[in-house]
Amino acid sequence: DQQVKQNSPSLSVQEGRISILNCDYTNSMFDYFLWYKKYPAEGPTFLISISSIKDKNEDGRFTVFLNKSAKHLSLHIVPSQPGDSAVYFCAARVLNTDKLIFGTGTRLQVFP
Amino acid sequence: EAQVTQNPRYLITVTGKKLTVTCSQNMNHEYMSWYRQDPGLGLRQIYYSMNVEVTDKGDVPEGYKVSRKEKRNFPLILESPSPNQTSLYFCASSFGGESSYEQYFGPGTRLTVT
Repeated sequence: DQQVKQNSPSLSVQEGRISILNCDYTNSMFDYFLWYKKYPAEGPTFLISISSIKDKNEDGRFTVFLNKSAKHLSLHIVPSQPGDSAVYFCAARVLNTDKLIFGTGTRLQVFP
Repeated sequence: EAQVTQNPRYLITVTGKKLTVTCSQNMNHEYMSWYRQDPGLGLRQIYYSMNVEVTDKGDVPEGYKVSRKEKRNFPLILESPSPNQTSLYFCASSFGGESSYEQYFGPGTRLTVT
C-alpha cells in the first residue's frame, strides 16, 4: 500500500516556465513533507520541506504547497532551468519518528 | 567535506555468495538508514539505526542484515543474495529528532545478482 503517491512519472517543461510536481498521501500521521531531488548516478539530495501545520513554504525558485484537506502537496519551480532536470521524490516523515516514506518519483525535463 | 560514502559503487555477484556493502558518514549523525530503489516503487527502507547498537527493520528487511558497532559505519549484509535483490541501494544519515527529515544520501550501490 503506497502511502505517498506521485502519479506522474514524467513531466516536460520549457525553460523559463513553471514546473508543478504533484504528490498525494493517504496517511494523516505525517508531521513533515519533503521534496528530494536526484541526478543520475548520485544519491537524492534534500530540496525543501513543509511542516504539516503550514500550507506554504518558499525557498528561492522553489515553493511547496500543502493542502491537508485534499491530502495533496505540490512543488512549484519558477522559473524552470535546464539544471532542474532531475527526478524529484516526494516524501513524508512519520509523526514522532525519524522514518521517511518516499513516493515513486517524477522525472522532470526542462528543455530550452 | 561532509559526506556519506558507500562501497562498492557497482557489484555483480552470483546467487548465494555473501556480500557486504559498506556505508560511512563523517557528520556524527545518530540516524542511519538503508534504502533500495526499484523502478515504479521509489525508495523503500530496508533497515535503520537510531544510534550505536540500536537497529530496527524498515519496510523490506527480508534477506538483509545490518550492524551498527560504530557511530559512523552502517554496513548492509546480504548473507545469501538472490536475483530479486538486484537493485540500486542507498545509505543515508541524519541527526535524529526535529531535523531528521533532512537526510544525507550516499552515491548509491548498483547490485546485480545473477
